[in-house]
Amino acid sequence: QQQVKQSPQSLIVQKGGISIINCAYENTAFDYFPWYQQFPGKGPALLIAIRPDVSEKKEGRFTISFNKSAKQFSLHIMDSQPGDSATYFCAARGVARGGAGSYQLTFGKGTKLSVIP
Amino acid sequence: NAGVMQNPRHLVRRRGQEARLRCSPMKGHSHVYWYRQLPEEGLKFMVYLQKENIIDESGMPKERFSAEFPKEGPSILRIQQVVRGDSAAYFCASSQAVLSPLHFGNGTRLTVT
Repeated sequence: QQQVKQSPQSLIVQKGGISIINCAYENTAFDYFPWYQQFPGKGPALLIAIRPDVSEKKEGRFTISFNKSAKQFSLHIMDSQPGDSATYFCAARGVARGGAGSYQLTFGKGTKLSVIP
Repeated sequence: NAGVMQNPRHLVRRRGQEARLRCSPMKGHSHVYWYRQLPEEGLKFMVYLQKENIIDESGMPKERFSAEFPKEGPSILRIQQVVRGDSAAYFCASSQAVLSPLHFGNGTRLTVT
């Protein structure tokens, strides 16, 4: 119930192409879906996020598409650049099991994106 | 405007020793979270703290692990009698309020030899 499944595990895209990463979840109580970008040796950095009452959110070259009925959401990176090469994590926020008033982020296992020139 | 600061960046411990990982949240943030990341895995929640209080420790192993966030000073994640399986990257995140976005530090990479 708390899992978030992410695919693909790795992705190679040519410069200028579109990168698409997909995530699926089971818990209908999740209320917030962020995407994080992580470079080697660094911590995850919040990239873009969406709430389930919205079907799409766009920020620059990054777009989240959200399908509430299918319990799926995806990240699209338009005009992918070599500087976008990183690991991307989707996540979902839900009420934690262990504490009253506590929320937890459940992360997918990540997608390693390589954008080749 | 410093972000979340973690130290040390790298920590090597022999089996059976203690590891102490420190985290200073962003200025103005009173909520601290610890996550663990194993190779090729996503981040796993460990514990959520506010000043002087553990709010949720449902992700912490029952033995050898403890966390604190004192009134003054950084949050500390303590691992006693480390074993090889504790080798991982440990990330701290902070937020301004319960439902605010999480900001992560650059992590402490613990290696147990």
